[in-house]
Amino acid sequence: ELKVEQNPLFLSMQEGKNYTIYCNYSTTSDRLYWYRQDPGKSLESLFVLLSNGAVKQEGRLMASLDTKARLSTLHITAAVHDLSATYFCAVDINLYSGGGADGLTFGKGTHLIIQP
Amino acid sequence: DSGVTQTPKHLITATGQRVTLRCSPRSGDLSVYWYQQSLDQGLQFLIQYYNGEERAKGNILERFSAQQFPDLHSELNLSSLELGDSALYFCASSVAPSSAWGNTIYFGEGSWLTVV
Repeated sequence: ELKVEQNPLFLSMQEGKNYTIYCNYSTTSDRLYWYRQDPGKSLESLFVLLSNGAVKQEGRLMASLDTKARLSTLHITAAVHDLSATYFCAVDINLYSGGGADGLTFGKGTHLIIQP
Repeated sequence: DSGVTQTPKHLITATGQRVTLRCSPRSGDLSVYWYQQSLDQGLQFLIQYYNGEERAKGNILERFSAQQFPDLHSELNLSSLELGDSALYFCASSVAPSSAWGNTIYFGEGSWLTVV
C-alpha cells in the first residue's frame, strides 16, 4: 500500500523567510503532484513532477523530486502572506510499473500560515 | 476556475437518505475522478471513470456508486447516508486515462455534504 507522509503538518512562519515542506512516499514512483488548497476551496494544481531530478518553479515556489530517496520538496522563498494555505503532495505509481489502479494517494497536507 | 463544474455546492440531508452529486469535466477531458475530503480521513480517492467506463476503484463504500454518461458528465450516488459520510466531495478531471500518466488533474469546487 502506497503511503505518503508530509512534514511538517503545521507551519507558521514570517514573511520574508524561506522554508521547505517535505513529502516522503513509500513506493517507487515518478508521478508526484503538488496542490494548494485555501480554506473551504478547491485544490489548485501547482506542479506535476515526472522524473528523478525534476525541478519546477513558479514564483516563490519551487518543487523537486528525488525518486531514489522517494522524496519531494516544496521550497518557499521569501514568503508572503498570500501563500498562506494548505499544501498537499500526491503520488501515483508510474503506469509502466503497474500504476493507475488506485488514483492519487494524498499526504495529510501542510497547513501554512505566513505572518506579517 | 479549473473548468470542472460540480453541483450542488452545499446540501444538508438526513441519515438514511440518498443524494446525487453531479460533475461536468473540463472540455476535452475524458477522465473523471471522485475524491472525498474529511477531517479524519483526509483526501481519499473513491473512483475513476474514463470515457464512460470504470477505470479505477479506491475506498468507495458499497453504499456509494458512480457512473459517467455519454456526454462525459458524471454522477456520484450516495445512499443510506450516515453521519460519517459528511464531507467535501470533489470531482476532478484530466485528459489522460489515468493519474499514472502524469497529466495535470483539475479539481472542481466540491460539494459540501452534511448528514444530520
